[in-house]
Amino acid sequence: EVQLVESGGGLVQPGGSLRLSCAASGFTVSSNYMSWVRQAPGKGLEWLSLIYSGGSTYYADSVKGRFAISRDNSKNTLYLQMNSLRADDTAVYYCARESAAWGQGTLVTVSS
Amino acid sequence: QPVVTQSSSASASLGSSVKLTCTLSSGHSNYIIAWHQQQPGKAPRYLMKLEGSGNYNKGSGVPDRFSGSSSGADRYLTISNLQSEDEADYYCETWDSNTWVFGGGTKLTVL
Repeated sequence: EVQLVESGGGLVQPGGSLRLSCAASGFTVSSNYMSWVRQAPGKGLEWLSLIYSGGSTYYADSVKGRFAISRDNSKNTLYLQMNSLRADDTAVYYCARESAAWGQGTLVTVSS
Repeated sequence: QPVVTQSSSASASLGSSVKLTCTLSSGHSNYIIAWHQQQPGKAPRYLMKLEGSGNYNKGSGVPDRFSGSSSGADRYLTISNLQSEDEADYYCETWDSNTWVFGGGTKLTVL
């Protein structure tokens, strides 16, 4: 069974950093394209970043230069390194496998 | 880059059918989309991928009550025999040039 479990969310001050993890089971992360998507409170879904099986990475303009997607094949885990966080980055962050499976999400709150 | 447009809300009665629409922007009418359901307080759930031809591929466990169809730039999600648990937000998603985009979502109310 495909399962995605995010972790690493929490409260962080503006300008701070956070690294989110997405532990996968039931499939191999490196054999699929994987995405990060977020949802601000009361808002819709926003695509953030993607990593292809070959390792190429892509970002939405809203996070380009601040966020970095990566994976650890030995741990079958996807990551999102988030730097220079702002209040408008406050959201639930989801990882997804090829737009066809979602994790349960992890909440990131950026506030002083 | 494609844009996908959805109505903000829809409503239908318990046991009836409803057809939700996702419209692709000009020049992108042949694009594949994905439909996702998000029940209140829960993570999104993948429903199906839907081609311009009308062919669709549903996710595991998605009830037969859910079906997809297409006409030109419009992609439809039809839910038959509406149940209370179908009350949710429904999002369409598409992709191009290594960029993914979501529609604003349709909030479905089951009366």
